[in-house]
Amino acid sequence: AQSVTQLGSHVSVSEGALVLLRCNYSSSVPPYLFWYVQYPNQGLQLLLKYTTGATLVKGINGFEAEFKKSETSFHLTKPSAHMSDAAEYFCAVSAFSGGYNKLIFGAGTRLAVHP
Amino acid sequence: EAQVTQNPRYLITVTGKKLTVTCSQNMNHEYMSWYRQDPGLGLRQIYYSMNVEVTDKGDVPEGYKVSRKEKRNFPLILESPSPNQTSLYFCASSIYGEPVTDEQFFGPGTRLTVL
Repeated sequence: AQSVTQLGSHVSVSEGALVLLRCNYSSSVPPYLFWYVQYPNQGLQLLLKYTTGATLVKGINGFEAEFKKSETSFHLTKPSAHMSDAAEYFCAVSAFSGGYNKLIFGAGTRLAVHP
Repeated sequence: EAQVTQNPRYLITVTGKKLTVTCSQNMNHEYMSWYRQDPGLGLRQIYYSMNVEVTDKGDVPEGYKVSRKEKRNFPLILESPSPNQTSLYFCASSIYGEPVTDEQFFGPGTRLTVL
């Protein structure tokens, strides 16, 4: 069964520093992987996704993620954090269950950005 | 503006008092879904609907009911709420429910407290 593990429930960085949010997946089939962002008091918003092809995926707001099959990872990065990046980030994998594909979410990582 | 709306946004109630959380989307989407978000557990699917009059259980359906009488609305019903249903609830929709190709749009969330 597909599953997602996000390492670190809370990550704190300084403004301008590298952001690295870790996600490892478990899947018996080639995975489809997603990152969602949840800003305070808002619903989730798709940041980026990997389906097939290029393993480095670029998303909105300067974020990118790299699919590494050998490491079963899909870590999210951003070269320089901005205060507005403070949010909760969810990694997800698409899983086939009950006759259709659905999203399985990780527990989330809350990113804090301090001046 | 394309959106998913939920009402109420905040609700405090007592054990056993029936309540309904409404969800509506204006994007003509076939697929709608309810999730609950709990700390350390991420988002878990409660129920989903592939189209009108078709609903099915997600991963945590116990204690919840749904209905899909019209395409745009997908209310979540708690017949006899209990404290373990205290959570943050999200409604989501997408065109056909295939996460690889169809982006899911999330509502702003409903924070429910059951005393």
